[in-house]
Amino acid sequence: QVQLQESGPGLVKPSETLSLTCTVSGGSISSYFWSWIRQPPGKGLEWIGYIYYSGTTNYNPSLKSRVTISEDTSKNQFSLKLSSVTAADTAVYYCARHKPDRRLSPFDSWGQGTLVTVSS
Amino acid sequence: DIQMTQSPSSLSASVGDRVTITCQASQDISNFLNWYQQKPGKAPKLLIYDASNLEPGVPSRFSGSGSGTDFSFTISSLQPEDIATYYCQHSDDLPFTFGPGTKVDIK
Repeated sequence: QVQLQESGPGLVKPSETLSLTCTVSGGSISSYFWSWIRQPPGKGLEWIGYIYYSGTTNYNPSLKSRVTISEDTSKNQFSLKLSSVTAADTAVYYCARHKPDRRLSPFDSWGQGTLVTVSS
Repeated sequence: DIQMTQSPSSLSASVGDRVTITCQASQDISNFLNWYQQKPGKAPKLLIYDASNLEPGVPSRFSGSGSGTDFSFTISSLQPEDIATYYCQHSDDLPFTFGPGTKVDIK
């Protein structure tokens, strides 16, 4: 059974870059789509973007200018970078796997989430 | 972007009650509608995908229906462990978007 684990700093200063890594165990990141999703405290869910193991990415237009998602297949990891952060980027960040049947598919496995606070 | 709305925003029901949540998309999304359960402090969990397909391992008291723009999610007999917030999400096009959530608790 695949497991996902987010890691990275829990506190980031305004205007700096948020960096998180998702480590996948119990399965290969190959042949799947992988996404980042975030949830501000007490609020709803926002899809950030996905990466396919081939390196293909797609980002939410609302964040596209600030987001980069990359992968390291040798480590079975994928990563998120969000630049020029503000307090509005404070959220629990989740990594998730898409169901394998097609590109636009639901998220069937999730990490536990990691809270990132943007504050000086 | 496709906008998702849900109703009600919260509900309170008794154990054993039938509970129904509705979700509406701002445009036709065929059957590309998914339902998640999120318990406090936990990640969302996929329950229903493609409007009516039960994710493996999910109890059969959960069900979904609908197509086009109007969808519903039902818990046939509410259990104490079903206390959670439920979100709909479309997977028809990018960007994926979620509904605002429905908080379910026990009366």
